[in-house]
Amino acid sequence: DAGVTQSPTHLIKTRGQQVTLRCSPKSGHDTVSWYQQALGQGPQFIFQYYEEEERQRGNFPDRFSGHQFPNYSSELNVNALLLGDSALYLCASRGGLAGGLSYNEQFFGPGTRLTVL
Amino acid sequence: QKEVEQNSGPLSVPEGAIASLNCTYSDRVSQSFFWYRQYSGKSPELIMSIYSNGDKEDGRFTAQLNKASQYVSLLIRDSQPSDSATYLCAVNANAGKSTFGDGTTLTVKP
Repeated sequence: DAGVTQSPTHLIKTRGQQVTLRCSPKSGHDTVSWYQQALGQGPQFIFQYYEEEERQRGNFPDRFSGHQFPNYSSELNVNALLLGDSALYLCASRGGLAGGLSYNEQFFGPGTRLTVL
Repeated sequence: QKEVEQNSGPLSVPEGAIASLNCTYSDRVSQSFFWYRQYSGKSPELIMSIYSNGDKEDGRFTAQLNKASQYVSLLIRDSQPSDSATYLCAVNANAGKSTFGDGTTLTVKP
């Protein structure tokens, strides 16, 4: 049973550049959420995709955008990178046949470590 | 006030002891509560979920929920050095979005 996968593992960019991160959900899952985790903090919710649409969004500027494809995989795009965007970016998936509140259980991928210089 | 607050660490316990991790949340409509374990340099791993008041046990882990007090806790019995990690409390008020605390770092000393 394939878990959540993310690519790339690490990425180094400079200020002002653009970056695209990729995520494939756990087999059988249809909902993907993205989180940003700064050092020493908990993950912060960026947005969630379901049925190829953004369903919820956290308190992030519109420099952060995303996409979900028909196969449920997802991309996170960040434009005009700032030093403060340096963080671990986590993708989490949920869904499938889980019933009731168990549907909310999310499983994380290994993350992409983004460094902005 | 943060939406999800965890007891500030770090927490250090000797091997074999009980580790107690606490979490409070502010949104009264929260329905789902999770504990994640995160090793240094790794991503969070779901270890416990709880949805109703009371205790839920899974091996050496026990999650406790008290919605009236807006409080959730995690007990780790017979702590092992391999339990040394940061433990994140997460709360869902509506489908999908999880709000996380900043975590409590646990060290289990042999």
